[in-house]
Amino acid sequence: DAKTTQPTSMDCAEGRAANLPCNHSTISGNEYVYWYRQIHSQGPQYIIHGLKNNETNEMASLIITEDRKSSTLILPHATLRDTAVYYCIVRVAYGGYALNFGKGTSLLVTP
Amino acid sequence: NAGVTQTPKFQVLKTGQSMTLQCAQDMNHEYMSWYRQDPGMGLRLIHYSVGAGITDQGEVPNGYNVSRSTTEDFPLRLLSAAPSQTSVYFCASSYGRGNTEAFFGQGTRLTVV
Repeated sequence: DAKTTQPTSMDCAEGRAANLPCNHSTISGNEYVYWYRQIHSQGPQYIIHGLKNNETNEMASLIITEDRKSSTLILPHATLRDTAVYYCIVRVAYGGYALNFGKGTSLLVTP
Repeated sequence: NAGVTQTPKFQVLKTGQSMTLQCAQDMNHEYMSWYRQDPGMGLRLIHYSVGAGITDQGEVPNGYNVSRSTTEDFPLRLLSAAPSQTSVYFCASSYGRGNTEAFFGQGTRLTVV
């Protein structure tokens, strides 16, 4: 699976959009981009995933650049409950099972 | 539908003791796995299973055993606990090997003294 690079930490004001970037410059054509988050002391929670098209669900939007070398997770209206560590993971859809969690981005949403 | 249930939530062991961390899922998921998370680090895969009767090693398997006799259950056994196994353990399950999301339990916080 391709390696990902994320900023260590970010801040966002409550009610504003949180934009979390992820670089995955070595991604290959059959690898998907997944986002998970981990709220303090809880198990990771799936957010969204995509291949090359932008995706949106009730939690977030995922914007993948045309060359697929980077992506951005967007939380449109961040709340205090969105404070968590966000993990960007690249994996082959029908390859190995493991999710390669790095250190992620620690997002702090402030009042 | 309870999802992925882990027991116990907290455990303190003495060095050399053995114990089993329980994991059960009620979603009829084919894939199950165990991760450990050490302070300030991401999750690392210990063992995983692609179905009943089939298990394999992950990144950090030493000191742990697993078995999968049913689809629902995937226990993790520590044969002789060591302080280096102090960690938070997460169990996860997913429907298949393809393009699917993984569901995680709430974790077991283990301290070995």
